[in-house]
Amino acid sequence: DAGVTQSPTHLIKTRGQHVTLRCSPISGHKSVSWYQQVLGQGPQFIFQYYEKEERGRGNFPDRFSARQFPNYSSELNVNALLLGDSALYLCASSFSGIGGNQPQHFGDGTRLSIL
Amino acid sequence: AQSVTQPDIHITVSEGASLELRCNYSYGATPYLFWYVQSPGQGLQLLLKYFSGDTLVQGIKGFEAEFKRSQSSFNLRKPSVHWSDAAEYFCAVALSGSARQLTFGSGTQLTVLP
Repeated sequence: DAGVTQSPTHLIKTRGQHVTLRCSPISGHKSVSWYQQVLGQGPQFIFQYYEKEERGRGNFPDRFSARQFPNYSSELNVNALLLGDSALYLCASSFSGIGGNQPQHFGDGTRLSIL
Repeated sequence: AQSVTQPDIHITVSEGASLELRCNYSYGATPYLFWYVQSPGQGLQLLLKYFSGDTLVQGIKGFEAEFKRSQSSFNLRKPSVHWSDAAEYFCAVALSGSARQLTFGSGTQLTVLP
């Protein structure tokens, strides 16, 4: 079975632009979480979606938004890009999103570079 | 707010030597605890997890971790390191019931000498 897939793998943008990152969860998984990993740091939680509803939000500005589609895939959108948004963006999926203890499975990420 | 501390930024061991990576967390209750490994340019792979029960948990690739409530620690161990274990290791915690919203430590980079 395919794992979590993210696209694109690499992306270069300039300051002020907008970007959309995409994530397809493992088949049967209904929960998707997004993380930002700045070089040299651990990942930081951005959003969690389950059954197309936002279930959690980390400490990120409103320039960051996300949504989940009926097929459980997800998009992360970032507006008005700043140099500090340069990072590896990771998507993770799990079967359930409320309670339970199924761990998350991570994709290989999208490397976003802001010039 | 919960937090995770990995005090060792970089550890170097010889192949075949034992390994212990430290992790301390700050949280009022016992959270869910995880160790992940990340190879260059790749995502995170789950090594092991602790939710409740036996405080010594076994994971993949010969890793184990021990939860010590009194020390708020969840240290990762391996009795004999292989060259392929060279990678970055992250400890993570989650509130019980929110295992999809992880707080990560800053990571420990492991170098393995031949």
